[in-house]
Amino acid sequence: AQKITQTQPGMFVQEKEAVTLDCTYDTSDQSYGLFWYKQPSSGEMIFLIYQGSYDEQNATEGRYSLNFQKARKSANLVISASQLGDSAMYFCAMREGLLNTDKLIFGTGTRLQVFP
Amino acid sequence: EADIYQTPRYLVIGTGKKITLECSQTMGHDKMYWYQQDPGMELHLIHYSYGVNSTEKGDLSSESTVSRIRTEHFPLTLESARPSHTSQYLCASSEEGQWSYGYTFGSGTRLTVV
Repeated sequence: AQKITQTQPGMFVQEKEAVTLDCTYDTSDQSYGLFWYKQPSSGEMIFLIYQGSYDEQNATEGRYSLNFQKARKSANLVISASQLGDSAMYFCAMREGLLNTDKLIFGTGTRLQVFP
Repeated sequence: EADIYQTPRYLVIGTGKKITLECSQTMGHDKMYWYQQDPGMELHLIHYSYGVNSTEKGDLSSESTVSRIRTEHFPLTLESARPSHTSQYLCASSEEGQWSYGYTFGSGTRLTVV
């Protein structure tokens, strides 16, 4: 069974608007971490934001925020005030806890395109 | 400034050649990983290591092999390259117990086998 699901292969957003990228996950662990990475066309993976399973507040990092709904097992990324430089692939990932080996598992990604 | 380095950045090589993709990190991380990624697709874990002389195969079967003789160095070798090996290979490392930092990734090696 797929552990990380990103249902949006591609998204378009106008510059300065907000956009939400969806991510749902599946785990039986109580302790886990959720991550979002950005991958520009150059190929490197850039860490954006982290949410721990025990964190009560949604994580925020500048223009990035993570809408964490534990009961629904969703961890959506919200980008506010989109910029042209935000155009890239975005990957949601999960790192499971004590019951599993320490591996980062990725979703299939969402390609975001920001237009003027 | 990158703390994890991958070389070469791009490689075009003929079928049947032996290649080694280099990965080095200067952060003293015990845990290192190799991911394979086709263009625009998800990342698949092919190898990982939790320390010197420790290597394990990942979730995606791969014909490549790895070694971990030194903490900072985690090279990946293909004994006989084939066109099916054409892909991007990303190396990463992480620090024990520091979950919130995620993985630090190298810039990747884009391999093309002709």
